Amino acid sequence: QLQLMESGGGVVQPGTSLRVSCAASGFSLKNFGIHWVRQAPGKGLEWVALTSAFGNGETYADFVKGRFTISRDDSRSTVYLQMNSLTGEDTAVYYCAKERIMGLGWNYYNYYGMDVWGQGTTVTVSS
Amino acid sequence: DIVMTQSPLSLAVTPGEPASISCRSSQSLLYSNGHNYLDWYVQKPGQAPQLLIYLGSSRASGVPDRFSGSGSGTDFTLKIDRVEAEDVGVYYCMQALQIPTFGGGTKVEIK
Repeated sequence: QLQLMESGGGVVQPGTSLRVSCAASGFSLKNFGIHWVRQAPGKGLEWVALTSAFGNGETYADFVKGRFTISRDDSRSTVYLQMNSLTGEDTAVYYCAKERIMGLGWNYYNYYGMDVWGQGTTVTVSS
Repeated sequence: DIVMTQSPLSLAVTPGEPASISCRSSQSLLYSNGHNYLDWYVQKPGQAPQLLIYLGSSRASGVPDRFSGSGSGTDFTLKIDRVEAEDVGVYYCMQALQIPTFGGGTKVEIK
């Protein structure tokens, strides 16, 4: 069974850092691009970042560039999102999602949707 | 950034009746390879989003055939032929031609 499971969320103060994780099971993580998508309370979905398969790099939404870093450890089947300089606007449920098709992925227009999503981890930034 | 605009904001449908959701993009989503980079997702209450349609009109695995996606360029439509109670949720379009962006969502309820 293909699964993603996020962890690491919590309550943090403004200006601090937090790292959330996304553990994959049931498939070989190294073959797939993995995205992070977030959802602020009562709001819609917002795309955050992508780590592409096969070392094809990372991509970020403009609003997180320079603050967030996405990385992957294929040997541990885990993707990370390091979040620095957090503000209240970063309060959200953070979901990771797997690209449907293995390979070059979004960066090379080899993109066919995100078919497996985790249940999300909640990050609350508050003093 | 490509801006995605969905309409209506909400929709109340009688079971068995059809429903239609519109999604418009501020730029064409049609790439030179002939693909429209437009996904549809549904987020059912208390759940993570799930993929319904990719590349504008291709149904994801396990998605009932009462769901269909159409359109090209800047105008796209998600249709549900006969709404069922289990279809309640918020439907989102997302463009993937450039840095992905989502529409604001359309809430589907049962009358």
